[in-house]
Amino acid sequence: DQQVKQNSPSLSVQEGRISILNCDYTNSMFDYFLWYKKYPAEGPTFLISISSIKDKNEDGRFTVFLNKSAKHLSLHIVPSQPGDSAVYFCAASDDNYGQNFVFGPGTRLSVLP
Amino acid sequence: KAGVTQTPRYLIKTRGQQVTLSCSPISGHRSVSWYQQTPGQGLQFLFEYFSETQRNKGNFPGRFSGRQFSNSRSEMNVSTLELGDSALYLCASSATSGVYNEQFFGPGTRLTVL
Repeated sequence: DQQVKQNSPSLSVQEGRISILNCDYTNSMFDYFLWYKKYPAEGPTFLISISSIKDKNEDGRFTVFLNKSAKHLSLHIVPSQPGDSAVYFCAASDDNYGQNFVFGPGTRLSVLP
Repeated sequence: KAGVTQTPRYLIKTRGQQVTLSCSPISGHRSVSWYQQTPGQGLQFLFEYFSETQRNKGNFPGRFSGRQFSNSRSEMNVSTLELGDSALYLCASSATSGVYNEQFFGPGTRLTVL
């Protein structure tokens, strides 16, 4: 059973609008979350993280929201740009001192000009 | 600063063979993690090495093993290859282990098992 779920395999958004990527998890012990972006033929690139002591973290156009009671987090990209078109992975960990992250299956975002 | 490098980039093997993949982390990084990426399963954690010691291990059979050298370079070995081992194997390095620790991924090694 998947511990980290990204139920939308793909998402299309118009340039300049908001992109919202969602992620749900089942393990209540997860307390640290990350989002990665992956272009074809490249390794994933770290985007933004959030720990369970916060419910929001912002970095430029990217904002991650965490709702611990709902075991849900989301990544908002505002405004969306064509260069944001990529696969976005949500990852979660309950291990403060290691790298044992559980990744979701990814959501392919297409930003249309 | 050079990024994470992985060699080889592409590899074709047959069932029953073994394979060794190499990862050189960013200079100064001491933690190296390995991941398997397949279309059906997404990214799955294999193991993490920190200062030559395996710190974490995912749910993979014993055919998957690794090691880390004193210069932080890491190798991953898969013995008795199976068709299902065909995947993109990604290596990630980070400066230390810990909260808020950012991982930097290499481009991956694409392994095809025939």
